[in-house]
Amino acid sequence: DAKTTQPPSMDCAEGRAANLPCNHSTISGNEYVYWYRQIHSQGPQYIIHGLKNNETNEMASLIITEDRKSSTLILPHATLRDTAVYYCIVRASGNTPLVFGKGTRLSVIA
Amino acid sequence: EAGVAQSPRYKIIEKRQSVAFWCNPISGHATLYWYQQILGQGPKLLIQFQNNGVVDDSQLPKDRFSAERLKGVDSTLKIQPAKLEDSAVYLCASSFTGAKNIQYFGAGTRLSVL
Repeated sequence: DAKTTQPPSMDCAEGRAANLPCNHSTISGNEYVYWYRQIHSQGPQYIIHGLKNNETNEMASLIITEDRKSSTLILPHATLRDTAVYYCIVRASGNTPLVFGKGTRLSVIA
Repeated sequence: EAGVAQSPRYKIIEKRQSVAFWCNPISGHATLYWYQQILGQGPKLLIQFQNNGVVDDSQLPKDRFSAERLKGVDSTLKIQPAKLEDSAVYLCASSFTGAKNIQYFGAGTRLSVL
């Protein structure tokens, strides 16, 4: 079973920041937080991951709370093409497979 | 860099028929995964390969599903015979071996069993 809890859906106005929350209260010390997204009719796409420090790349920022029990994915300027299902996944490093929950369906509205 | 290639993109069969899916991972990726995604749900792992060896097939329904990766590169997933509940998208993913291990996914094969 997935170790994370996410809201089933969210809306965001185009051009605004999208903040997607994720709870992972049972995360272990060696487990990372990964975010993937899945645009309609495509395979999941890697966005970002982190252990305990905040991370930023060209796609998004990941903010992890100090106790590591929750995190927030931030899309700084959402566009219509960011409409997708966003999955927050907790997993140890190495070759362990991804365990997906149902994710958050983000709708970016013009 | 070429991504994970899968074929066919769509397949429609009748129940009790057989079907096979093909996956070509990103060059150099030793680890290959097959996931099943039922409509409205997240993907679920079916089988994981490391080179041409099976690492985890605990969730593969072995009475009807089989998979192979004979030369440690391409992989095929087969269903024989198919059931109505096998209707799903079958996703292939690959990754390097190592701590970072970002998985890259193909576009998937959408199977409809009638």
